[in-house]
Amino acid sequence: ETGVTQTPRHLVMGMTNKKSLKCEQHLGHNAMYWYKQSAKKPLELMFVYNFKEQTENNSVPSRFSPECPNSSHLFLHLHTLQPEDSALYLCASSQGAGRETQYFGPGTRLLVL
Amino acid sequence: QQQVKQSPQSLIVQKGGISIINCAYENTAFDYFPWYQQFPGKGPALLIAIRPDVSEKKEGRFTISFNKSAKQFSLHIMDSQPGDSATYFCAASIEASGSRLTFGEGTQLTVNP
Repeated sequence: ETGVTQTPRHLVMGMTNKKSLKCEQHLGHNAMYWYKQSAKKPLELMFVYNFKEQTENNSVPSRFSPECPNSSHLFLHLHTLQPEDSALYLCASSQGAGRETQYFGPGTRLLVL
Repeated sequence: QQQVKQSPQSLIVQKGGISIINCAYENTAFDYFPWYQQFPGKGPALLIAIRPDVSEKKEGRFTISFNKSAKQFSLHIMDSQPGDSATYFCAASIEASGSRLTFGEGTQLTVNP
């Protein structure tokens, strides 16, 4: 595997389910990000981790819970989601949490019923 | 104001033509303007970027034009090819905000053969 990988690629869940999204980067980077991409809307930054520490939470509802056990792995735990949470969730990584280029994974397409 | 406004929402160009996508911003503190390209099923990837100390940057068939006084910047794709068909996002950032990127809404480009 190279670059940034995300699993699963597609996910359908009910509003009462609990699921997790996984991201893994194979680039030796130290910073990782979660973004939400909705149709015809700008990408929304959700969380930033730098050296496993959360450095930014962009006022994300608590039904989204990130976890970064090490610099290579990032999870997004989902519970009690709403239909409006349906979107493409993108993970990205960069060498540092400054102006370095962010490399994105292919995303997880989430549908909340 | 942190928004970046992008237009058009969609664009259809004939092979060999010039594709032009425009972005406007309000926050004069923005000092870095990248463009990202996203193919279906893939995450965005950095295409080209410019800083406000230059008015133009060219990489191959891709050119960014920057007008600081008008607070606008645009992406020009010369000799557009069907393989350029993708969604393009402009973005802007402030050095003091580190990795935080403010994205435009995206432009879906279709290049007809």
